[in-house]
Amino acid sequence: SYELTQPPSVSVSPGQTASITCSGDKLGDKYVSWYQQKPGQSPVLVIHQDTNRPSGIPERFSGSNSGNTATLTISGTQPMDEADYYCQAWDSSIVVFGGGTKLTVL
Amino acid sequence: EVQLVESGGGLFQPGGSLRLSCAASGFTVSSNYMSWVRQAPGKGLEWVSVTYSGGTTYYADSVKGRFTISRDNSKNTLYLQVNSLRSEDTAVYYCARNLYSTGHGMDVWGQGTTVTVSS
Repeated sequence: SYELTQPPSVSVSPGQTASITCSGDKLGDKYVSWYQQKPGQSPVLVIHQDTNRPSGIPERFSGSNSGNTATLTISGTQPMDEADYYCQAWDSSIVVFGGGTKLTVL
Repeated sequence: EVQLVESGGGLFQPGGSLRLSCAASGFTVSSNYMSWVRQAPGKGLEWVSVTYSGGTTYYADSVKGRFTISRDNSKNTLYLQVNSLRSEDTAVYYCARNLYSTGHGMDVWGQGTTVTVSS
């Protein structure tokens, strides 16, 4: 079965750039979505189709996907961005999630 | 307003059954791919099942044969039937819309309903 691998945790200082990676075999051939989940809340779609931000998502969120790695980048990270982030792709008609990355802003 | 509201969670015994509901408003369930996703306590998101707009369904290997996804178009509601409950089914269950224009990313999520399986 297809697997997506994320680092368990990433730390960043306020105002700096955070990068969260998601790795999978030939992931660049698939569309990747990213979700933000804060404690006790439902996930929120922050990036779809590798690079697209839904309306209402701040411009500081961006994405890329090439080769075997997709990356979620948060520029000028704010304390409110502290959350768990999950990548997601489709493989053989089913949905696959990465294990999630806890972003700490300190 | 586009919204999903889940219900049907609670405390259930191992080996039992339950049916979760996901009532949609602001859009038509049958015109979209719709997924169920669960999250065990302290764990990550786990995709469970999807139904395509045409009616095709798929399941995660971990639930195949025990879970059934369905929809009632007249009620604009998505369902998840869960049989032979196990302790590892304990989780918050979310329904989500997989919107075509986002490459079937999940753009709308419900608030989740908690299922606890324990004797």
